[in-house]
Amino acid sequence: KAGVTQTPRYLIKTRGQQVTLSCSPISGHRSVSWYQQTPGQGLQFLFEYFSETQRNKGNFPGRFSGRQFSNSRSEMNVSTLELGDSALYLCATTKTGDAGELFFGEGSRLTVL
Amino acid sequence: EDQVTQSPEALRLQEGESSSLNCSYTVSGLRGLFWYRQDPGKGPEFLFTLYSAGEEKEKERLKATLTKKESFLHITAPKPEDSATYLCAVQLRGGGSQGNLIFGKGTKLSVKP
Repeated sequence: KAGVTQTPRYLIKTRGQQVTLSCSPISGHRSVSWYQQTPGQGLQFLFEYFSETQRNKGNFPGRFSGRQFSNSRSEMNVSTLELGDSALYLCATTKTGDAGELFFGEGSRLTVL
Repeated sequence: EDQVTQSPEALRLQEGESSSLNCSYTVSGLRGLFWYRQDPGKGPEFLFTLYSAGEEKEKERLKATLTKKESFLHITAPKPEDSATYLCAVQLRGGGSQGNLIFGKGTKLSVKP
């Protein structure tokens, strides 16, 4: 059974640029959420999508956005990158949308210079 | 304010030296508590779910327990392969959305042979 796939795994951007990250969930999983992980703040919830609808959003500025497609794949976008956006971005999926057993991808490591 | 605190931040053990990790929480209402393991460069991997005080779950050398204010992850006779960061997450009452999930910052466990 294939796991959660995130692409790209590593990327380097400069301030002011934008970035798009992709997440392909486990087959049958309809809920996809995104987290930002930094050494200082730990794991912080960005947003969650279920059946193509944003169900919840964390406390992040509007530069962070996302969407989900009909095949449950999800993308998140960060515009006008800042140095503080450097982090590991993790995608997590569940089958029903209940935040029980989350399946995480390996993450996309973003470095902003 | 809902809060999840893990201690210690880091723990170094000798192989075979049993110990416990702590996750204390101050939340308006607990729906469930989850433990995850995260290896360097990887996404977190689900370990346990606990729902009510007094509940215990076991898996190999790990045992998780829950009280009304905290959870413990007991590690019996650890091996070097148990080295990882252990994350605790609390799900608030009010629905199964992942927006109601709060992660602690983790305990980094190192087990030396």
